[in-house]
Amino acid sequence: DGGITQSPKYLFRKEGQNVTLSCEQNLNHDAMYWYRQDPGQGLRLIYYSQIVNDFQKGDIAEGYSVSREKKESFPLTVTSAQKNPTAFYLCASSQRAGGPDTGELFFGEGSRLTVL
Amino acid sequence: GDSVTQMEGPVTLSEEAFLTINCTYTATGYPSLFWYVQYPGEGLQLLLKATKADDKGSNKGFEATYRKETTSFHLEKGSVQVSDSAVYFCALSARSGSARQLTFGSGTQLTVLP
Repeated sequence: DGGITQSPKYLFRKEGQNVTLSCEQNLNHDAMYWYRQDPGQGLRLIYYSQIVNDFQKGDIAEGYSVSREKKESFPLTVTSAQKNPTAFYLCASSQRAGGPDTGELFFGEGSRLTVL
Repeated sequence: GDSVTQMEGPVTLSEEAFLTINCTYTATGYPSLFWYVQYPGEGLQLLLKATKADDKGSNKGFEATYRKETTSFHLEKGSVQVSDSAVYFCALSARSGSARQLTFGSGTQLTVLP
């Protein structure tokens, strides 16, 4: 089955530690995204990537980093510089950037990060 | 910039009641409009979409019509079920050719009681 796989589903971190969230897709999509979701709020874009080896900052990129070395993978690192990292993180992909299906995102099931 | 405003929740309905979740938007150009649904503990799923004025998107008994004159895309369902309990997000995508241009509303929590 094609889809997006995020791992881990739940993650606990001590303050001052970096943590990496995995996102893998087998949909052959060009574009991938990371969103952050906080209770009662909409989704906020952290980073996005339109092609391999290229990515752009979203609205709340500070304290986060990404890489896109392979088309199917787009890991997100939450660094110790992120002041309030406890949140639900969602990875998504879309077939291509700027095409007529822009906006039709396929989401993973999310990773819930809790900082202790 | 682009923005989406949804009615505040939570919304609680009895089974078989009529549902309306209001959504209005502000955007330059001619955006595409979407409703996404998020079931508890899961990611979002596309529920329906409309790409131009007067288009009606529909899926699983839900409908929404793209109203350019009122800049609205209200979600409706004639008879809700307990299984419709979820968070619903309205979103727009500007036809700017950029990958990032999906703007979400804040979401509306719907609870349907048996």
